[in-house]
Amino acid sequence: QSALTQPPSASGSPGQSVTISCTGTSSDVGGYNYVSWYQQHPGKAPKLMIYEVDKRPSGVPDRFSGSKSGNTASLTVSGLQAEDEADYYCCSSAGSNNVLFGGGTKLTVL
Amino acid sequence: EVQVVESGGGLVQPGGSLRLSCAASGFTFSSYWMSWVRQAPGKGLEWAANIKPDGSEKYYVDSVKGRFTISRDNAKNSVNLQMNSLRAEDTAVYYCARGRVGMGYWGQGTLVTVSS
Repeated sequence: QSALTQPPSASGSPGQSVTISCTGTSSDVGGYNYVSWYQQHPGKAPKLMIYEVDKRPSGVPDRFSGSKSGNTASLTVSGLQAEDEADYYCCSSAGSNNVLFGGGTKLTVL
Repeated sequence: EVQVVESGGGLVQPGGSLRLSCAASGFTFSSYWMSWVRQAPGKGLEWAANIKPDGSEKYYVDSVKGRFTISRDNAKNSVNLQMNSLRAEDTAVYYCARGRVGMGYWGQGTLVTVSS
């Protein structure tokens, strides 16, 4: 049960777009359309931003979008805003009814 | 309004036990998977365990198998995590969340510290 691979950090200026990748294997990301993304601000609980690869929960801005190609899922944040600065985690269903998280990416808005 | 509230965290010695509870409200509890996710200090999220809506299936991360037990009481809208043989590496904030992979609602977390 190895964690999914995310870049430790990402950054962009206000108004720009940034994409965070999440790489797994055919036994997790590549094998299921159950990939989700979470935003976590310091000291706060995680918040669901994307589920089932590309679906947005009610209330999440459409600046946030998800996609998947092969064993890699991606979260794109368009029109970056200061409040988007946070840690982001991907999550995937995995074999044997397991659930895997990525190591997390710290997004900095310059 | 959906609410998820954890309780039961605290300081425990290595080898000890602790029982976490999670009270849910504002939704049809018996229709949802429930999960426990933990986060060690300064580290990332780690899924710990989850349980099917009717309680018939339970799954655990390898590192807690045989030591942790998840259970639920649909009559009381609650889910519990019994943690035995605790180790220093179990020190973390433990979150209760609604769902299995798409966890839409989370509690505020409860801190478990395993130390002598």
